[in-house]
Amino acid sequence: DGGITQSPKYLFRKEGQNVTLSCEQNLNHDAMYWYRQDPGQGLRLIYYSQIVNDFQKGDIAEGYSVSREKKESFPLTVTSAQKNPTAFYLCASSIPQGYGYTFGSGTRLTVV
Amino acid sequence: AQTVTQSQPEMSVQEAETVTLSCTYDTSENNYYLFWYKQPPSRQMILVIRQEAYKQQNATENRFSVNFQKAAKSFSLKISDSQLGDTAMYFCAFRVGETSGSRLTFGEGTQLTVNP
Repeated sequence: DGGITQSPKYLFRKEGQNVTLSCEQNLNHDAMYWYRQDPGQGLRLIYYSQIVNDFQKGDIAEGYSVSREKKESFPLTVTSAQKNPTAFYLCASSIPQGYGYTFGSGTRLTVV
Repeated sequence: AQTVTQSQPEMSVQEAETVTLSCTYDTSENNYYLFWYKQPPSRQMILVIRQEAYKQQNATENRFSVNFQKAAKSFSLKISDSQLGDTAMYFCAFRVGETSGSRLTFGEGTQLTVNP
């Protein structure tokens, strides 16, 4: 079945460490997105990519980095510069023409 | 910039009854799409219903329907015959245009609880 796979489901980070969240899709979608969700809040856009080797900052890109070397993959690195990284992270992909996104099941990141 | 506002942080409804969730948005665009997503306790985002702005007819999907008022920039979701499985956070979202990379902008969400 086609879909988006995010891993790991739960991730713990020590202060000062960089961590990478994986997002893989087999839907052949061109565009991919990373959102952050804090408790009781909506989704805020971190980064998005419309095509391979290209990506744009969203609303809260500081302290995060991404790469898009393959169409299927869009990993997100949470760097030590992100001061409050504890959150739920959702990856999504889409096709054109006004359809919604397909979402992964998310990664819960906790700083310990 | 596009904004989406959901003015009801929490709502509750009795099983089998009908509930309406509100959403307003702001945009200067003419070609756009509106969505309602459901996020149950599993936190998986599930698309509930979609509306094209150029269509006057309100979208329906089984027990879910919308009231789309383009001039008022309003997009409410009506859930009929509410079921316990409808308990979830509901997000209204907005997307401009036809390109693959156009972003979804989300509201803050409404937590709906269906009581037995």
